[in-house]
Amino acid sequence: GAVVSQHPSWVICKSGTSVKIECRSLDFQATTMFWYRQFPKQSLMLMATSNEGSKATYEQGVEKDKFLINHASLTLSTLTVTSAHPEDSSFYICSVRRLAGVETQYFGPGTRLLVL
Amino acid sequence: AQTVTQSQPEMSVQEAETVTLSCTYDTSESNYYLFWYKQPPSRQMILVIRQEAYKQQNATENRFSVNFQKAAKSFSLKISDSQLGDTAMYFCAFMKAVRDNTDKLIFGTGTRLQVFP
Repeated sequence: GAVVSQHPSWVICKSGTSVKIECRSLDFQATTMFWYRQFPKQSLMLMATSNEGSKATYEQGVEKDKFLINHASLTLSTLTVTSAHPEDSSFYICSVRRLAGVETQYFGPGTRLLVL
Repeated sequence: AQTVTQSQPEMSVQEAETVTLSCTYDTSESNYYLFWYKQPPSRQMILVIRQEAYKQQNATENRFSVNFQKAAKSFSLKISDSQLGDTAMYFCAFMKAVRDNTDKLIFGTGTRLQVFP
């Protein structure tokens, strides 16, 4: 069964609005989650590392005021795209890091964002 | 800094045949993890197989196996008895075993595999 869920799976919004994407760890508590962005036919680009109870760590070139990340609990992290513009249209994927036992990252099903 | 290279942008294989996807990496770390992830048209990233660098034995998962050559920094994926459902993008990934703020997955550019009937 699914280890990580994302909601919504698809979102269309108007330019200037904000969109919130949720990432939930279903099987275990996760102190660390990751947010990626993927353009068509390209690899995943890490945007930020979400740490429970502390501020997210953003990768170079990623605007932290544009992409707000909140890791409020051990099973939930949210990514909010603020004042979205058409260039923010993309596929956003979260992953959950499992430390217990075999260390692995499990990915959510992704969220397709289209900004009109 | 660590890098992962997948030199084959596209590969194709006949159903039931065997195909090998290449991956090389560069690191100065001695302990790390290597992964192969599959991304089918649904775009869900699926873990195919993982290898711990300190283990000499090559990992296997049913039809999937790896050839891990630590000295050569090579980590190829062999898919035996290819099935139509194996059609997907395959990403090789590296992660340091040290738990600090740099222990994140480093992905290759991917290899698109097409399985033909």
